[in-house]
Amino acid sequence: KAGVTQTPRYLIKTRGQQVTLSCSPISGHRSVSWYQQTPGQGLQFLFEYFSETQRNKGNFPGRFSGRQFSNSRSEMNVSTLELGDSALYLCASSAGLRDLETRVANNEQFFGPGTRLTVL
Amino acid sequence: GNSVTQMEGPVTLSEEAFLTINCTYTATGYPSLFWYVQYPGEGLQLLLKATKADDKGSNKGFEATYRKETTSFHLEKGSVQVSDSAVYFCALSTNAGKSTFGDGTTLTVKP
Repeated sequence: KAGVTQTPRYLIKTRGQQVTLSCSPISGHRSVSWYQQTPGQGLQFLFEYFSETQRNKGNFPGRFSGRQFSNSRSEMNVSTLELGDSALYLCASSAGLRDLETRVANNEQFFGPGTRLTVL
Repeated sequence: GNSVTQMEGPVTLSEEAFLTINCTYTATGYPSLFWYVQYPGEGLQLLLKATKADDKGSNKGFEATYRKETTSFHLEKGSVQVSDSAVYFCALSTNAGKSTFGDGTTLTVKP
């Protein structure tokens, strides 16, 4: 089974520009989550999409947005880039379902290699 | 809200030493608990998980037990190898698709 893929792997942008990152989840997974990883803030949850709908959202400004397509591929967009947006952006896929018997969420996440964004 | 507190690093050990990385959590509801590992230049890989109290997750010689009474999920390995050098993250999830991570602990194993 192919893993989670993210494109591009590296990006360099300047302040004020906008950027779009792409994530293809594991086949059959309907949930795609996005995280920002920085040395100072660690891993911060951005948002999660499930079946083309945003299901969970973190505490990031509206400049950060995303969407999911019918094939579960997801894109994340950051507008009006700031220096502080420089980070590793990680995408994770999961089945995103609850076990019918235990009602425990099947939330084991599989991560992609990340997109390293540098804002100059 | 949910939070995870991890033992501060970095941790440096000699090969074959015993490893413990402490992790405690605060959560609403009934979380699933995870340990992830990140090697340089890569994303996170799931190392092990536990979905209910007293469950023990294990993989590649690493173990962690879900302790509800102490809200802990400490990672242990009896004999570390140089190849175990990486950053280790403790995480919890009460919501499918959303995880809360600790700050990560950098482990360096010297030959």
